Amino acid sequence: QSALTQPPSASGSPGQSVTISCSGTSSDIGGYNYVSWYQQHPGKAPKLMIYEVSKRPSGVPDRFSGSKSGNTASLTVSGLQAEDEADYYCNSFAGSNNYVFGTGTKVTVL
Amino acid sequence: EEQLVESGGGLVQPGGSLRLSCAASGFTFSIFWMTWVRQAPGKGLEWVANIKKDGSEKNYVDSVKGRFTISRDNAENSLYLQMNSLRAEDTAVYYCARGSYAMAPWGQGTLVTVSS
Repeated sequence: QSALTQPPSASGSPGQSVTISCSGTSSDIGGYNYVSWYQQHPGKAPKLMIYEVSKRPSGVPDRFSGSKSGNTASLTVSGLQAEDEADYYCNSFAGSNNYVFGTGTKVTVL
Repeated sequence: EEQLVESGGGLVQPGGSLRLSCAASGFTFSIFWMTWVRQAPGKGLEWVANIKKDGSEKNYVDSVKGRFTISRDNAENSLYLQMNSLRAEDTAVYYCARGSYAMAPWGQGTLVTVSS
């Protein structure tokens, strides 16, 4: 149950796009289509942004999109806005009804 | 409004016990898996445990197996986490969340501090 690997930080100017990677193994990301992404602002609870690799819950802007290739999942935020500045965590099913989070990425809007 | 409210956190000595509660409202609690997630101060999220709709299946991260027990009371719309043999490394904000592979919503969290 090792944490999935994310870059510590990512940044972009308003209006630009930023993509965050989430690297796992064939036992988690590569083996299942149960990858989700969470946004967390300082001092707040996490919020679901993407589930089942690329599905967006109601109310999440379509600027947020998800994808997966092999053992790596990605979250792309297009048209960056100031309120997108936050920590982002990926999560994947890891078999036997266990789950694992990524190490987290701090997104900065320049 | 769908809401989760945690309670029961606090300061406990190493080796001690604590029971966290999570009160659910605004949705049909009994038809959802439920999950506990924790976050140590300044650190990332860690999946801790989940429990099936009827409580018949429970799963844990290796670091808490044998020490923590997740349970639920569907009649009371409540989720619990019994934490025994607590260690300093269990210090964290503990969140409850609805669901398993798509966790939403989340509660506001309750802080557990293990220290002498």
